[in-house]
Amino acid sequence: EPEVTQTPSHQVTQMGQEVILRCVPISNHLYFYWYRQILGQKVEFLVSFYNNEISEKSEIFDDQFSVERPDGSNFTLKIRSTKLEDSAMYFCASSEAGGYYGYTFGSGTRLTVV
Amino acid sequence: SQQGEEDPQALSIQEGENATMNCSYKTSINNLQWYRQNSGRGLVHLILIRSNEREKHSGRLRVTLDTSKKSSSLLITASRAADTASYFCATWATGGFKTIFGAGTRLFVKA
Repeated sequence: EPEVTQTPSHQVTQMGQEVILRCVPISNHLYFYWYRQILGQKVEFLVSFYNNEISEKSEIFDDQFSVERPDGSNFTLKIRSTKLEDSAMYFCASSEAGGYYGYTFGSGTRLTVV
Repeated sequence: SQQGEEDPQALSIQEGENATMNCSYKTSINNLQWYRQNSGRGLVHLILIRSNEREKHSGRLRVTLDTSKKSSSLLITASRAADTASYFCATWATGGFKTIFGAGTRLFVKA
């Protein structure tokens, strides 16, 4: 069964450093998403991406966040200057038709900012 | 409260018993989805029910949807220890670009 792949599985970074989280969505999917989950809390929407541009973003997704699809297969989330409160699990998801059939999620990247 | 709120927040049952989790939401939706998350792992899509459907089955899972009450329930029959996980409902509105998740129900099935 096709999978969404995320790398790395765990990243530790110093506060103020830039991090890039990487995702390889399912190949025939057209819609891409990033969500985050602070430990023990709810899954929060960050951003959706379609046709090479951001479709929607949440209040969390401020100027320190950016997304990119640099080639035909990767989808990245960049956090420019990490803060302690950015520590969370970050999930990438993709879908073929928006939310019509549901999403396929990757297994996540655990980001720890120290 | 936010779209997609589950109750109970936590549920502990014996293996073999049925587990029922409820979800309420606020706005009009196109579909409602249920996901499972094992501790520290990714979200796994379980089942999707559309706004024009009232009930759906998949194996030991039964989902109902009442759009007049803006609520859904997930029933897991004959639960197993391996069903121990967090369960989230998530809603998608037509034309929207995001699926919104609730806070989840933590299910613990004792062997």
